[in-house]
Amino acid sequence: NAGVTQTPKFRILKIGQSMTLQCTQDMNHNYMYWYRQDPGMGLKLIYYSVGAGITDKGEVPNGYNVSRSTTEDFPLRLELAAPSQTSVYFCASSSERGTEAFFGQGTRLTVV
Amino acid sequence: ELKVEQNPLFLSMQEGKNYTIYCNYSTTSDRLYWYRQDPGKSLESLFVLLSNGAVKQEGRLMASLDTKARLSTLHITAAVHDLSATYFCAVGSNYQLIWGAGTKLIIKP
Repeated sequence: NAGVTQTPKFRILKIGQSMTLQCTQDMNHNYMYWYRQDPGMGLKLIYYSVGAGITDKGEVPNGYNVSRSTTEDFPLRLELAAPSQTSVYFCASSSERGTEAFFGQGTRLTVV
Repeated sequence: ELKVEQNPLFLSMQEGKNYTIYCNYSTTSDRLYWYRQDPGKSLESLFVLLSNGAVKQEGRLMASLDTKARLSTLHITAAVHDLSATYFCAVGSNYQLIWGAGTKLIIKP
């Protein structure tokens, strides 16, 4: 029962570096999401996808990019990391609009 | 723009007591979700509420939805320490979920 798998769990980046957060789900869900959670706050949607080849911006997309070449994978790319991107990142998936989302374990990213 | 407000944001209570967390939202929506998050952990789905008057219960937790008032409640009955966590509500808006800030619940033995 893998569900939604995110890697890495922790990462420290220097300002200006780039990285890709990986997200894979094995539930054949069409909908996938990337959120960030700042300390003591709720979740903010970065990007989402309603199927392979289809992505769209959420509330806070600046500084990030995504792709969805397969149903299973939804990587999040950070270009030119900034301290403001220090956060916990969650990937989630759901089978269709209106159903519950299943979350990965999160990636704790620190930009120094 | 859809806004979601939870209150209280912090709640400390004794075991055995009852309490209610409120989730208000600003525009019409057809779905509302409650999630639980333990410290340093991921989010776990508790309830999905899809219609006016929906009520769902799981153990000591009961959630309800009043779409006319744009209000959902999460009621805790006879709280136990294991229910200590942060509880989030999230409201559907097109393909997105808009999240409340969360209610940090601490239940003291």
